[in-house]
Formats: sequence, structure tokens, C-alpha cells
Amino acid sequence: AQKVTQAQTEISVVEKEDVTLDCVYETRDTTYYLFWYKQPPSGELVFLIRRNSFDEQNEISGRYSWNFQKSTSSFNFTITASQVVDSAVYFCALSEAFGQNFVFGPGTRLSVLP
Amino acid sequence: EAQVTQNPRYLITVTGKKLTVTCSQNMNHEYMSWYRQDPGLGLRQIYYSMNVEVTDKGDVPEGYKVSRKEKRNFPLILESPSPNQTSLYFCASTSIGEPYGYTFGSGTRLTVV
Repeated sequence: AQKVTQAQTEISVVEKEDVTLDCVYETRDTTYYLFWYKQPPSGELVFLIRRNSFDEQNEISGRYSWNFQKSTSSFNFTITASQVVDSAVYFCALSEAFGQNFVFGPGTRLSVLP
Repeated sequence: EAQVTQNPRYLITVTGKKLTVTCSQNMNHEYMSWYRQDPGLGLRQIYYSMNVEVTDKGDVPEGYKVSRKEKRNFPLILESPSPNQTSLYFCASTSIGEPYGYTFGSGTRLTVV
């Protein structure tokens, strides 16, 4: 069975610090997709990134970057120079067959203090 | 605008009073799903549907029903709500080849007293 673990329940940083959110996943499939979603205090779920299992290239989008390592089954998310607006709950998710069996981790609550 | 619309956003009800949370998407997605979100547990799948008239149980289906009579709609029915169904509910849809994964509705915060 597939599983997503986010060991960090809550993280607090001061604005402008870098912060990394950890995600470890378990799956038996060779083809799968990994996602990160952001849930700000307003409650909606916002898509951040999708990565398929064949693409281990790291990705950078502005202050956000993702490190995908199949060898350790990890898909970590780093925010550089954090801002107060980054305060949210962040979910890592795994999908084995696209569109099905979408499993979320428990989430990490990030608080960025001014 | 491509979106998933859930209604209502907030609902307070009493134990045992049947209710329906509606979900509609305008993206012609085949796949729709309901999740509930509880503190410390993340999002857990209640039911999903791979297409019209095809539904299946997720991880926590007890106490819920769904139907998929039309492609765009996927209502969640609580026949006899109980306080342990107090939660934040999300409807979501996606399609094969959709690069953004799920599109989520805005959520329905349900309180059962």
C-alpha cells in the first residue's frame, strides 16, 4: 500500500530564513506521481508542483525548490527567504495510477514570523 | 473559469438529519473524489468515481453515500450524520493527463451537534 509521511508536524521560522519541508513516500509501483499542495489559512488547496517518477530533475520556481530522490523515496520542498505569506499547511501527496489512489501526507504547518 | 464548486461552504446540523453536499465541475473531468480533512490526519478519501455510474469506496466510506448520474456532479450524502462526521470536506476532480493533479473545491465545513 502506498503511504506518505511528513514527519514535521509544525515548523516555525523567522522571515527570510530558508526552510525545508520533508516528504517520504512508499509505493510498490514504478510509475507514480508526487505532488505538493499549499493550504493557506483561508482553507483552499493550492497546487504547487507535480513530479513523475521518471523525472528526478530538481525544480526551482522562484523561491520554491523541490528535491526528488528516488534512492531515499523523498520529495522535499524548500522555501528560500521565507515570507509571512508562506504561512500555511503544506501537503505532500502520491498518486500511483494517475487520477486514482491519491494519498496525502498528514501535512506540515509552517509559521513564518515577522 | 475552470473550477470545482461545492455547496454549502458552512453547515451546522443536528445528529440524524439527512444532508447533501453538492459538488460540480466544469472541466469535463472523468475522475471525482471526496475527501475529509481532520487535524493531524491530513486528507482521507471517502469515495471516488472514475466516470458516470462508476463509484467506489475510499479509505473512510462509513456513514457516507455518493452518486454519479452526470459527469459534472458528484454529491456527498450523509443519511444520518453523527458528531464524528464533523470535519472539513473537499471535493476534487481530475483527468488523465491533467498536469495539475486534482482541482479542489473550496471546502465545506460541516459541524454535527
